[in-house]
This record gives sequence, C-alpha cells and structure tokens, in this order.
Amino acid sequence: QVQLVESGGGVVQPGRSLRLSCAASGFNFSRYIMEWVRQAPGKGLEWVAVISNDGSQGYYAESVKGRFSVSRDNSKNTLYLQMNSLRSEDTAVYFCVRVGDPWGQGTLVTVSS
Amino acid sequence: DIQMTQSPSSLSASVGDRVTITCRASQGISNFLAWYQQKPGKVPKLLIYAASTLQSGVPSRFSGSGSGTDFTLTISSLQPEDVATYYCQKYNSAPWTFGQGTKVEIK
Repeated sequence: QVQLVESGGGVVQPGRSLRLSCAASGFNFSRYIMEWVRQAPGKGLEWVAVISNDGSQGYYAESVKGRFSVSRDNSKNTLYLQMNSLRSEDTAVYFCVRVGDPWGQGTLVTVSS
Repeated sequence: DIQMTQSPSSLSASVGDRVTITCRASQGISNFLAWYQQKPGKVPKLLIYAASTLQSGVPSRFSGSGSGTDFTLTISSLQPEDVATYYCQKYNSAPWTFGQGTKVEIK
C-alpha cells in the first residue's frame, strides 16, 4: 500500500540546521508532485513547500523562503527538506504529502535552546 | 499572495444536522481547491479535490461546491465521527495556502 515515512526530526538549537527525509513506497514516486506541510502545536496546517515530480522546480512559503530547500531522489524514492537557520517558530510536526493524499505520520521538529 | 478565509472558525451542531463550511479566496482560483478533515490526534485526510470531486472512500454525506473565489463544504447529515477540524487548501499556484480551519463539534 502507499506509504510515506518521515524521519530526521528532533530538538535543535536556534540558528542550526536539520534535514528531514520522507521515504515513499507503494507507488511510482517519480510520477508525483510532493509537498511538505507543517503544524505547530495546537495550531492549524501551514503549507511549507512543493516540488515537481522530476525535482526541477520547488516552491516555498514566504515564511521559509531562503532558509528551507526541498529536493528529491527518485532513484531512492525519497523526499527531503533541508532546513537552515531554524527559528523557534519553525517548531512543528512536519508532514510529507503526496499532493493531497496520503500524508505521512509526521516528524516533530523542536527548535529550542 | 492569495489568502484563504474559512468561516465559521468553529461550529456546534446536532447529529443529523446539515453543516456548511465556507472558504473564500482573495482572488479567483478556478476549481483548484481541496478540503481536508483532521480528527483529534490524527493525520489530515483528503475529502474533496477539484472543489467538488469526492476522494475515494469518503462518505457521500460530504460534498463540495464552488468555483472562482467562493467554495463550500457540506456535510448533509452530521455524524458523531465527523467531529474534526476541516481545512481548505488552494493549489492553483504556489503558495498552496490553507485556510485557518473550522472546528466542528456535536451539540
């Protein structure tokens, strides 16, 4: 079945970097646009980034533009989110999404000193 | 950027009631609009895409309508398992903004 499994979350100090991964299985990964969406504790959904199926184009929310970078390795069926210059307001559960459905279970990123 | 505004932010209705949630885009987005349901402690689930197309497996009491700037999600007969927060999302062009969510509770 279609499955998305995020990893790489954790506690990180402000200003540091973190890379999230999303391992996809059960479908032809290279055919699909992929998204990252986040949800801060007790808050609503916030769209973060989207990447084209071939990885040639990525688009970002204004709140992360210039700090985050989305990429993918279609040979490994894996999506990535490189997060630099992290801020406390980046604290959230980060979801990997196959353009609308399904969603992964999420990985928690906590930015704190 | 196009803003997505949902209303109401919360509602309480009785089992069997018809419930309508509205999502308004600040500019036209054709029918590039999706609706999601997020139950407490769970991952969001796609209900509707292309404004009115029901995702496979979603109960038929859910329906979506609208085009351009005004969209609605309707639950024809509210059930206890529909307690959740509902979000709209535009995807005509980046950023793929979400609405702020509508929390639905049982009265």
